[in-house]
Order: sequence, then C-alpha cells, then structure tokens
Amino acid sequence: DTGVSQDPRHKITKRGQNVTFRCDPISEHNRLYWYRQTLGQGPEFLTYFQNEAQLEKSRLLSDRFSAERPKGSFSTLEIQRTEQGDSAMYLCASSLDGTAYEKLFFGSGTQLSVL
Amino acid sequence: GESVGLHLPTLSVQEGDNSIINCAYSNSASDYFIWYKQESGKGPQFIIDIRSNMDKRQGQRVTVLLNKTVKHLSLQIAATQPGDSAVYFCAERSPGEKLTFGTGTRLTIIP
Repeated sequence: DTGVSQDPRHKITKRGQNVTFRCDPISEHNRLYWYRQTLGQGPEFLTYFQNEAQLEKSRLLSDRFSAERPKGSFSTLEIQRTEQGDSAMYLCASSLDGTAYEKLFFGSGTQLSVL
Repeated sequence: GESVGLHLPTLSVQEGDNSIINCAYSNSASDYFIWYKQESGKGPQFIIDIRSNMDKRQGQRVTVLLNKTVKHLSLQIAATQPGDSAVYFCAERSPGEKLTFGTGTRLTIIP
C-alpha cells in the first residue's frame, strides 16, 4: 500500500492519559498535515510540516498537543493529559510541495475516544 | 440546507440516476477547490479538483462546476452506484492559506 498510513486506527483512553499517534506519508511527499474531524463536521487544520520543519500551528492546537517529524518522513502527534473534548478523528495528509495547487491525500485516520 | 453538528445535508438518489451536490464557499480569494469523498470510518478520498481559472472540469463519471460570481461549486456524479454512498466535502484554498473544508453532504444511493 503506497498511500498514507496511520496507526492506530482506534484508540480508547481515560481522561488524563497521554496518547501518541503515528502517520507515514506517501514516500515522495515532503509536506505532512494533521487535521482533526469531529462527527458531522469537515476536517479542521491543526499543523503541517515541510520535511522536518513544522511551519504552522493552528490555534486549535493547545499546548497539550505536540507534533514531530524528526527525519522528514513519518510524523507523530502526541496529546498529553487528554480531555473528553479531544475525542475526534485525527487525520494525517501528505502532499508534494512545489505546485500552487497541491493535492492533499489523506490517511484513514485515528479515532480517539476519551472516557 | 445548512449543517449544524450531526445534521448534515442529505441527498438520496436512485441507483443509476445522476446526482448533484452543491457547495457554497465564502472566500472570494480562493483559487483552488477540491471535492473529497469520505466513507464511514475512512479518511477523505480525493475525487476531483478545479482551479479558479476554469469553470468546468470532468473526470470519470464526475464533473465539477465552478461559478465564481456567486461563489458556488457543484459536483455532478453520473449513473450513480451503491459505492457512491458517502459524505462529500468541498474544500477551498486561497493563496498562502491551508485547505479549508466546507460542510459535508451525505449522499445515499437507493438500490
């Protein structure tokens, strides 16, 4: 499978616990995005990387959230001290920069449930 | 209609008929638009895109129409199949900004 891969697909955790998600983008893509999607809504932008550099973070990304892309390949998104409001689908997308009309290709997401 | 929380606009179409899904966008500076299809439990899947210098683009069984005057985008799906049942999102991007998604529309194909 050469698409965007996310792990785990589902995560159930208790409030206050830390969770980490992983995203493996399409191999030749240098941009990687994290989005969050709640039921019935479209995805909302959280942050993105160009290679290993994190270039932008949304105001939605509180200080409990941290994302890394250490070698410019896979990325991790960590949520510390989870809250029930963090329950959502966390989507990763990748794209090939260099075009004014970049297409984002999404993974299947990680569904987080905070109890 | 407008979606609030769980109440997505819905469209039911008989299998084999054509469907049209509409999207209003708000930013007149947007120059690139994408339609995504999202099936239950999956991430959004790219369907077709269109640049602001075009008003129509066709793919396999799908056509996107762009009316910049009224800031309206539509997705036409020809000869619908059961596998077309999904939530469809339009997304827009203005120069230097990130892709922003609109309210989805749930399409149900009736066998």
